[in-house]
Amino acid sequence: DVVLTQSPLSLPVTLGQPASISCRSSQRLVHNDGNAYLNWFQQRPGQSPRRLIYQVSNRDSGVPDRFTGSGSGTNFTLKISRVEAEDVAIYSCMQGTFWPYTFGQGTKLEIK
Amino acid sequence: EVQLVESGGGLVQPGGSLRLSCAASGFSFSSYWMNWVRQAPGKGLEWVASIKGDGTQKSYVDSVKGRFTISRDNANNSLFLQMNSLRAEDTALYYCTRDGRNSDSWGQGILVTVSS
Repeated sequence: DVVLTQSPLSLPVTLGQPASISCRSSQRLVHNDGNAYLNWFQQRPGQSPRRLIYQVSNRDSGVPDRFTGSGSGTNFTLKISRVEAEDVAIYSCMQGTFWPYTFGQGTKLEIK
Repeated sequence: EVQLVESGGGLVQPGGSLRLSCAASGFSFSSYWMNWVRQAPGKGLEWVASIKGDGTQKSYVDSVKGRFTISRDNANNSLFLQMNSLRAEDTALYYCTRDGRNSDSWGQGILVTVSS
């Protein structure tokens, strides 16, 4: 199975400052169709997960442009350019390239 | 607007069974792979099972193989998860999600508690 390792697991950030979350895969995530199915999800307290980024770097509709996904091969990153109070949440990466689909452990972002 | 509404959860004894349902609306249901994803209390997300739009392909995480069955009724835009031989470690919030490998939309989740 593909193991996704996120770091850090806890991320205290000052409002207005940038934040970065790493997601490292135990193997390359390129599917036979040429796409890398690496998604990022945001789960606010008491809510269902919401997809922010799909296929590494594509931002979902309605997602603020301060969220950026990047990476290739086995290393992927979610960056928030300027953290706002509404960004307090758990962020999880997920790979949909290989079965079983797997998730990272989740990174808890809090305001310092 | 895509809507996914789960139902059928509850408290069940170890070894018991439950059938979860997910009512889908707002999109062409039969055109999409669908998933079940779960989240144990205080834990991360875990993919459980997927089913192709026409129901001809299914996949499961090893820990539920032989105990859980995913199915769908495209005429009624519904997704199901039949859960048998339930164990304490199956206790979780179960989410229905659209679009298999991309999981672009999620339901609100339904709680399954396995306890004596």
